[in-house]
Amino acid sequence: TQLLEQSPQFLSIQEGENLTVYCNSSSVFSSLQWYRQEPGEGPVLLVTVVTGGEVKKLKRLTFQFGDARKDSSLHITAAQPGDTGLYLCAGLAWESNTGKLIFGQGTTLQVKP
Amino acid sequence: EAQVTQNPRYLITVTGKKLTVTCSQNMNHEYMSWYRQDPGLGLRQIYYSMNVEVTDKGDVPEGYKVSRKEKRNFPLILESPSPNQTSLYFCASSYREGFEQYFGPGTRLTVT
Repeated sequence: TQLLEQSPQFLSIQEGENLTVYCNSSSVFSSLQWYRQEPGEGPVLLVTVVTGGEVKKLKRLTFQFGDARKDSSLHITAAQPGDTGLYLCAGLAWESNTGKLIFGQGTTLQVKP
Repeated sequence: EAQVTQNPRYLITVTGKKLTVTCSQNMNHEYMSWYRQDPGLGLRQIYYSMNVEVTDKGDVPEGYKVSRKEKRNFPLILESPSPNQTSLYFCASSYREGFEQYFGPGTRLTVT
């Protein structure tokens, strides 16, 4: 069974702090997606990483795909209250023939003003 | 506006009373999927469809049915709901399997 483990599950920080969320697996993924979900809404895609070692930046958010394509991280610099939400990673298994995305259990982030 | 719509957004029902949650997308996507989201368990796939008339089971299909008679619609049917199906349900669509998924706003279902 392919699993994606996210850590930490909960994170409560003050505005201006930095944080990193991890997404780890023992399986290889052909791509990794990161979503953010706000209360009362569906998840929205932030980024897709497809190449081992790839780093993508989206304003204050930095995403990295591990060299072995088994893990990924999301780093937020100078967090703001607007960053509050549930962050989900989702991977497409390397040998998938169904296109099924495997989701991590999510990281709930609270940024206090 | 490109979107996935779900109805109803909230539903409270009783055990055994058949219900349908509708899902529609206006992006001409081939791939559609249903998920349930429960605390601590993340998003679990119920059923998916790679194209019209092609559906298959996800991780937690028991107690659910789907159909894909048209490309844009993918209703979720609970023939005899039970309390363990109380959850937050999301419909999603994507251009093809494995691509970015566009999620609907969710349907919060309570079965008493």
